[in-house]
Amino acid sequence: DADVTQTPRNRITKTGKRIMLECSQTKGHDRMYWYRQDPGLGLRLIYYSFDVKDINKGEISDGYSVSRQAQAKFSLSLESAIPNQTALYFCATSDSGGREGEAFFGQGTRLTVV
Amino acid sequence: DQQVKQNSPSLSVQEGRISILNCDYTNSMFDYFLWYKKYPAEGPTFLISISSIKDKNEDGRFTVFLNKSAKHLSLHIVPSQPGDSAVYFCAASEVSGNQFYFGTGTSLTVIP
Repeated sequence: DADVTQTPRNRITKTGKRIMLECSQTKGHDRMYWYRQDPGLGLRLIYYSFDVKDINKGEISDGYSVSRQAQAKFSLSLESAIPNQTALYFCATSDSGGREGEAFFGQGTRLTVV
Repeated sequence: DQQVKQNSPSLSVQEGRISILNCDYTNSMFDYFLWYKKYPAEGPTFLISISSIKDKNEDGRFTVFLNKSAKHLSLHIVPSQPGDSAVYFCAASEVSGNQFYFGTGTSLTVIP
């Protein structure tokens, strides 16, 4: 089983719909992140959380919200999906006591907004 | 504006030869740098890192070089193997920064 699990793996949704992407981890890490990957733009940070009560905006948080329900769970919501949110989304975790910058990524969720 | 740039979208190298992947950055406050490798249908995996107090870090076949004055880092893979075929991302963060900025990636193909 994967250490960082994202659900769903693929999703097609309509413009204006609310959608939630979920991430769970079994690594026991305190830090969790949501990134999106777009062609020609690399990976960009949406939100990150250093513990259950800590939520921080990343580089591109507009149009997104997150919830850290437990140390092991971090969900990303698109309140009203729009086509330019079509992308590959990655959840990642890291250990504050581990090697700096080393994050462990899930397999990704491919989201298409039509 | 992209603060971390990988200007070569793709690179092909013969098996056994050296692969050199390049990365440039614009933010002089960046002081910690990483390389990640990504296979299709998988998430990125950490490969190697370097802090600004060093100009070289080596881990087996992988070596990262940092030239702070030129705001440039490179990843050398010697010898290259077909299993190294993947997309490589460089990333950077500021002193006590909480987030990493990623480049756009370079797709490496190692030809057997």
